Amino acid sequence: QKEVEQDPGPLSVPEGAIVSLNCTYSNSAFQYFMWYRQYSRKGPELLMYTYSSGNKEDGRFTAQVDKSSKYISLFIRDSQPSDSATYLCAMSYASGNQFYFGTGTSLTVIP
Amino acid sequence: GAVVSQHPSRVICKSGTSVKIECRSLDFQATTMFWYRQFPKQSLMLMATSNEGSKATYEQGVEKDKFLINHASLTLSTLTVTSAHPEDSSFYICSATSVGGSYNEQFFGPGTRLTVL
Repeated sequence: QKEVEQDPGPLSVPEGAIVSLNCTYSNSAFQYFMWYRQYSRKGPELLMYTYSSGNKEDGRFTAQVDKSSKYISLFIRDSQPSDSATYLCAMSYASGNQFYFGTGTSLTVIP
Repeated sequence: GAVVSQHPSRVICKSGTSVKIECRSLDFQATTMFWYRQFPKQSLMLMATSNEGSKATYEQGVEKDKFLINHASLTLSTLTVTSAHPEDSSFYICSATSVGGSYNEQFFGPGTRLTVL
C-alpha cells in the first residue's frame, strides 16, 4: 500500500465550477500537509500548507484536513482556465523533512 | 523570495556520457536540498537528501555511484548522472529548505528534463 493515495484523474470541469481534490494516507504519524500546483514541464509551487485538522482558506483555495479519517482535500472555488495544472498533495512527519507525495491529479478547466 | 533555480532546463545527451545538473537557492541559504525524479504522469520520487558539507543520503534503490551529489555551499547542490542511459531519461527536480525556516517548507526548482539518446 502506498503511503499517500491520490486519484490521478484526469478531471475536467467548466469554468466557474467548484473543484474538489482529495488524498488519503495510511500513516497517522503524518503531521504536515501540503498542496502543490505543477504546470506542465515546470517545478511544483506551494499552494497551501496546513498542520492541524480543520479548514484553511486562502483566496479561492481551501485546504481541509481530517486526521481521524486520514483524508485531506483541496477545494478550488470559481475555477479558472489558469487553474489547469496537476495538483499534488504532500505530507511529512513532525520530525525530519522528507515529503511523501501523491501521484497528482490532472485538472483541466474549460472556458 | 525563496527562489530556486536549476541549470540546465533541458539537456539531451548520448548514452554513456555524464550530465551535471545544478540547483541554486537564489535569495536564501539552504540547509538541505533534495533531488527528485519524476516520470511522465507519475509523482515525484525522492532520490536523495543533501546537507551542505556532508555526504548525501540516498533513498533505497538509488545508486549513489550513478547519481553523484555534491552540496558544496549553502546555495548550490549538483547532481551528476554518470554514464547515462536511456532509462535515466526523466524530469529531475530539486528543492531546498531555508536556514531558520520551517523544515516542512520546501521550495522547488523549475526542473531539468534529461533525454538520453
